[in-house]
Amino acid sequence: EAQLVQSGAEVKKPGESLKISCKGSGDNFNRYWIGWVRQLPGKGLEWMGIIYPDNSDTKYSPSFQGQVTLSADRSISTTYLQWTSLKASDTAMYYCARQPAYDSNLDYWGQGTLVTVSS
Amino acid sequence: SFVLTQAPSVSVAPGKTARITCGGDNIETYSVHWYQQKPGQAPVLVISYDSDRPSGTPDRFSGSNSGNTATLTISRVEAGDEADYYCQVWDGINDHVVFGVGTKLTVL
Repeated sequence: EAQLVQSGAEVKKPGESLKISCKGSGDNFNRYWIGWVRQLPGKGLEWMGIIYPDNSDTKYSPSFQGQVTLSADRSISTTYLQWTSLKASDTAMYYCARQPAYDSNLDYWGQGTLVTVSS
Repeated sequence: SFVLTQAPSVSVAPGKTARITCGGDNIETYSVHWYQQKPGQAPVLVISYDSDRPSGTPDRFSGSNSGNTATLTISRVEAGDEADYYCQVWDGINDHVVFGVGTKLTVL
């Protein structure tokens, strides 16, 4: 069974950079798309984009294009979500999840990484 | 971008049937997936491709999709079913996942 383990909670100041991670296990991890989902406090799910770890092909939601960067290191079955300059409005829970195909569901989810941006 | 519409809340008594709907223009031409999210937990896929139950989903959960409405039905509702439920499709025109706003199921 696939398992996704995300990095721990982060507290950052506005303007700082951040990279959070999602490490996968299970057969052929690098052959599945990994999606990232934002959940603002008390709000719903927002899909940010997906990455294919085997070749780092990416697709971004229009709402997040240019705001974040997805990357992957296939040698350690890990994908990353990165910001260059955080804003207070980036405070949220971030989930990674496996998408068996780029246009499919999200069948296995990480436990989430809470990012808090505050001065 | 494709828009999915969900009622903010649904309430049901234990043992009764809950129906949670997801509206979208001609949604029957899309594959709809449903997620359950309990407080403080990550979402869990409970129905995929309109009506398939992943292993681990109780058979009290079922899905359907017709016309402009997809429906998640929970029979014999239990207190443990209280959660937020989200529908999801892939918007092939804009190449991205779309989630509904979520429906909070309250078990009375």
